[in-house]
Amino acid sequence: AQKITQTQPGMFVQEKEAVTLDCTYDTSDQSYGLFWYKQPSSGEMIFLIYQGSYDEQNATEGRYSLNFQKARKSANLVISASQLGDSAMYFCAMREGADNYGQNFVFGPGTRLSVLP
Amino acid sequence: DGGITQSPKYLFRKEGQNVTLSCEQNLNHDAMYWYRQDPGQGLRLIYYSQIVNDFQKGDIAEGYSVSREKKESFPLTVTSAQKNPTAFYLCASSLGYQPQHFGDGTRLSIL
Repeated sequence: AQKITQTQPGMFVQEKEAVTLDCTYDTSDQSYGLFWYKQPSSGEMIFLIYQGSYDEQNATEGRYSLNFQKARKSANLVISASQLGDSAMYFCAMREGADNYGQNFVFGPGTRLSVLP
Repeated sequence: DGGITQSPKYLFRKEGQNVTLSCEQNLNHDAMYWYRQDPGQGLRLIYYSQIVNDFQKGDIAEGYSVSREKKESFPLTVTSAQKNPTAFYLCASSLGYQPQHFGDGTRLSIL
C-alpha cells in the first residue's frame, strides 16, 4: 500500500494567488516527520518545510505553510502569493518512528505545479 | 560551504559494464541514501546507510551495490545485472531527525 499519496499529478495556479498541494500519509507509528521538497527542472531537491507528528502548531516557512490534520493523516502544502519560480515538482515525504534514527524516508509520487503569468 | 557532491553529472554506460557514481558529503551526517528517479516519477530508495561499514537495501536494490568505508563517502555501483539503469540518481544525507540534504544528481544513460 502507498504510504504517501499525492492525488494531484498536475496543478495550475495564477501568479500571486495561493495554491494547496495535497498529501495524505499512512502510518501506524505515533512519532513521525513529514517533509515537503521542491524539485525544479534542473533536478536538485530543495527542502521546503517540516512538520513533526507531535508539533501542535502548523509549520510555516516564509510563503510556505503546512496544513497538518493529524486525525485525517493529511499534510497539505500551501504556497501563498505564487511566483513564476515556484513552477516545479513538489514531493511530500515521511520519516517514520522515533527510534528509526536515519531510517529511510518514503516519498510520494509528486505534483507538478505550473504558475501562469 | 558544506554540502553533498555527486559526480559525474552525466554518465554513459556500455552494455555489460559496471559504473560507479560518487557521493561525498562534508556535513558530518551519519546517514546517507541513494535514490533512483525515472522521468516524471517519484524517488525510489536503492540503499541507505546509517553508520560507517553498515548499509541496508531499499526497495529496488537488485543490480546495485554500495560501500560505506568512510563517513563522508557512499559510492553506488550500477552493475551489469541492472538491466534498465537509465535514470536520474540522487544521493542524500541526514543527521538524526533533520531533513535530508540532496546532491545535484547524476544522469545515467545507456550507450
